[in-house]
Amino acid sequence: GENVEQHPSTLSVQEGDSAVIKCTYSDSASNYFPWYKQELGKRPQLIIDIRSNVGEKKDQRIAVTLNKTAKHFSLHITETQPEDSAVYFCAASQGGFKTIFGAGTRLFVKA
Amino acid sequence: ETGVTQSPTHLIKTRGQQVTLRCSSQSGHNTVSWYQQALGQGPQFIFQYYREEENGRGNFPPRFSGLQFPNYSSELNVNALELDDSALYLCASTIYGTSGGQKETQYFGPGTRLLVL
Repeated sequence: GENVEQHPSTLSVQEGDSAVIKCTYSDSASNYFPWYKQELGKRPQLIIDIRSNVGEKKDQRIAVTLNKTAKHFSLHITETQPEDSAVYFCAASQGGFKTIFGAGTRLFVKA
Repeated sequence: ETGVTQSPTHLIKTRGQQVTLRCSSQSGHNTVSWYQQALGQGPQFIFQYYREEENGRGNFPPRFSGLQFPNYSSELNVNALELDDSALYLCASTIYGTSGGQKETQYFGPGTRLLVL
């Protein structure tokens, strides 16, 4: 079945450094790739998304890249801050239908 | 916040019992999806409802069932509860348009934390 693999499972960076999280999807029909941030005890919140007709998208300190051929997509956070500490999930779907999530990356930003 | 609400926030049941979880979608959202999130894992897709009909299902047994109502509310029912059903259950709503105006962004509710003893 469809699968999304996410790495690393845990990431620790120094404040101000960059963080990169990588995902691979299996379903070639996937065309929508959102990223969610989930803080402890809270709901997942969309932080950025990208569609298959775009290779890169940026929103302030956050950027996402997509390589359709390799079925890879990545989240880049620059100038990390302690409040970026959370669990980040990548996901893949066909236009929002049957969204498959990765297992999550726990990001620690050390002050 | 997203305008999606869920009830109850927490629930404790015993093995074999049945449970109903509720979700109130954001106004105008005709599509709702339910997810199960076990501790330390990503949300797992259970099923999706569009205009009151199930239109997609993940790898969950038939004892997981749902309903969607015209007033943008929905239910997740789980029969014959098992210990492994203990998890956070999330609903997420969005707008699906057959004319190509689909908006893929899902808005999650706060979740219901279910503990099965």
